[in-house]
Amino acid sequence: QQQVKQSPQSLIVQKGGISIINCAYENTAFDYFPWYQQFPGKGPALLIAIRPDVSEKKEGRFTISFNKSAKQFSLHIMDSQPGDSATYFCAASSSQGTYKYIFGTGTRLKVLA
Amino acid sequence: DTAVSQTPKYLVTQMGNDKSIKCEQNLGHDTMYWYKQDSKKFLKIMFSYNNKELIINETVPNRFSPKSPDKAHLNLHINSLELGDSAVYFCASSRFSNTEAFFGQGTRLTVV
Repeated sequence: QQQVKQSPQSLIVQKGGISIINCAYENTAFDYFPWYQQFPGKGPALLIAIRPDVSEKKEGRFTISFNKSAKQFSLHIMDSQPGDSATYFCAASSSQGTYKYIFGTGTRLKVLA
Repeated sequence: DTAVSQTPKYLVTQMGNDKSIKCEQNLGHDTMYWYKQDSKKFLKIMFSYNNKELIINETVPNRFSPKSPDKAHLNLHINSLELGDSAVYFCASSRFSNTEAFFGQGTRLTVV
């Protein structure tokens, strides 16, 4: 029940295309769903996050879609750029004192120039 | 000013040795974490501390011992290193358990 399932494992997109990464969770106590971006040799950095009281959040080219009833959320990267090539992790955590972020298995995105 | 800093960035050591990784955050956060990232990039929680108290020990071998001397520091000591301990270890901090977690740059540990 603590897992967050992420797909696909890897993704290749042409420059200007849309990248879509999906995640699913089971634990209904989760109330914070961030997406992290990691470049080689660096630590994960927050890209965008959503809470279950909204169904969508957009920041620039990055959008999270959230479906509470299906327990799924996804990251859309519009107009994908070569600089977006990185590994993306979805995660989930709870305010109920669990003190941990459960990460998905990661998606390696490559955007071709 | 780096928000979460870890030292060293690289650590190469022989099996059986004992080593430590240090972590400091200047964000004023109450909660700090250690995560392990394996060769497949999977990020797994090891420990979390809140206000210097251990909250989570996620079935980590007792060769790993975290220590939090104050809220800004969380160090990781590893005894009797094994080949399987080779990984990247990340320190992180957050204000609450459901707010942004800030990660350090990681420590790449290689046991030979």
